[in-house]
Amino acid sequence: GAGVSQSPSNKVTEKGKDVELRCDPISGHTALYWYRQSLGQGLEFLIYFQGNSAPDKSGLPSDRFSAERTGGSVSTLTIQRTQQEDSAVYLCASSLVRTNNEQFFGPGTRLTVL
Amino acid sequence: QQQVKQSPQSLIVQKGGISIINCAYENTAFDYFPWYQQFPGKGPALLIAIRPDVSEKKEGRFTISFNKSAKQFSLHIMDSQPGDSATYFCAASKAGNQFYFGTGTSLTVIP
Repeated sequence: GAGVSQSPSNKVTEKGKDVELRCDPISGHTALYWYRQSLGQGLEFLIYFQGNSAPDKSGLPSDRFSAERTGGSVSTLTIQRTQQEDSAVYLCASSLVRTNNEQFFGPGTRLTVL
Repeated sequence: QQQVKQSPQSLIVQKGGISIINCAYENTAFDYFPWYQQFPGKGPALLIAIRPDVSEKKEGRFTISFNKSAKQFSLHIMDSQPGDSATYFCAASKAGNQFYFGTGTSLTVIP
């Protein structure tokens, strides 16, 4: 079956523009996670969805970042007024929370803010 | 405060040697400890995972050793191969909620 997909794979934008990143989780996975990975760094947790609700938004770095999930499936991460320090790879993962904790990651979206 | 600390940052091992990566955690409520492998341009992929009720788990050449009292766990790669060259992340979570990842170890296996 299909894994986690993310789009676009690469995004180059100008400072101050808004961007939307999309994640399509594995069908039936109730949990969805967003992470940010900067060059040579580990994975920085951003937000976690259980179904359509986000019980943990603690990782969002500023109010310029927001995310939503509709229909318990697709999620979008929106970054408003992008800054150069937002440049990173944004990774999405999904998991079947109730049966196991394995997270399946998508290939990521590489965001470059000029 | 970093919930999971990983070392070393980078590791170079000869083909056939043993690669060892260590992680330490803070929260005793964590109940799931996975290791992820990431190749350049790809998302991380689950390699092996352990729960705190066992002290060791082995899958092929990969072994996790878990020390609950010390709050430490490690990944051992036996007979390391050049194809194992990748970045490895440890992680910890509680009840399937937020995962805390280590900062990663870049492993290079020299032929």
